[in-house]
Amino acid sequence: QKEVEQNSGPLSVPEGAIASLNCTYSDRGSQSFFWYRQYSGKSPELIMFIYSNGDKEDGRFTAQLNKASQYVSLLIRDSQPSDSATYLCAAHTGTASKLTFGTGTRLQVTL
Amino acid sequence: NAGVTQTPKFQVLKTGQSMTLQCAQDMNHNSMYWYRQDPGMGLRLIYYSASEGTTDKGEVPNGYNVSRLNKREFSLRLESAAPSQTSVYFCASSEIVRSTEAFFGQGTRLTVV
Repeated sequence: QKEVEQNSGPLSVPEGAIASLNCTYSDRGSQSFFWYRQYSGKSPELIMFIYSNGDKEDGRFTAQLNKASQYVSLLIRDSQPSDSATYLCAAHTGTASKLTFGTGTRLQVTL
Repeated sequence: NAGVTQTPKFQVLKTGQSMTLQCAQDMNHNSMYWYRQDPGMGLRLIYYSASEGTTDKGEVPNGYNVSRLNKREFSLRLESAAPSQTSVYFCASSEIVRSTEAFFGQGTRLTVV
């Protein structure tokens, strides 16, 4: 079992809709969670991080964390074609300073 | 402000050859990481270094060695390259606090023939 699991997709949503991306993790020692966006041929870039239970909003993006269920999600409101990319979920285990990624979910925003 | 610099950007090796991928960061980060990325596999952790002088195995360490030369530099060595090591390699660095993002280098595209 991978430490961080994501559905590989592709997830297809129409422009203007809400995209919901999900991630589960297995290590209860994980303390922080990150969402990265990666365009084809490019390096990952950070969208958001979260480490407290609940929701965290930043513009069109909302990250949600449920430590009891070991579940992290990313909502993208008003999806744009420029949001089409692979979204990588990562878990950071602070004591070991280990940063583990999921396989990524490919998002396609259609016109 | 260079951030994380990886060299080389592209490399073709013959099976059995050795090479070292170099990574340097100028952000004074304690933690550094090496990942490989294959289609549909996301980023898989090869080795990481929590601080200068320490290294630990990640998910896929076989066939690789690393050296944390100093706080700035973390190198990845392939002693005897195999076609299965054809991949894109990313180096990253971060701090050891929970809210700090990891910064990535531009990647090295390695092909082993």
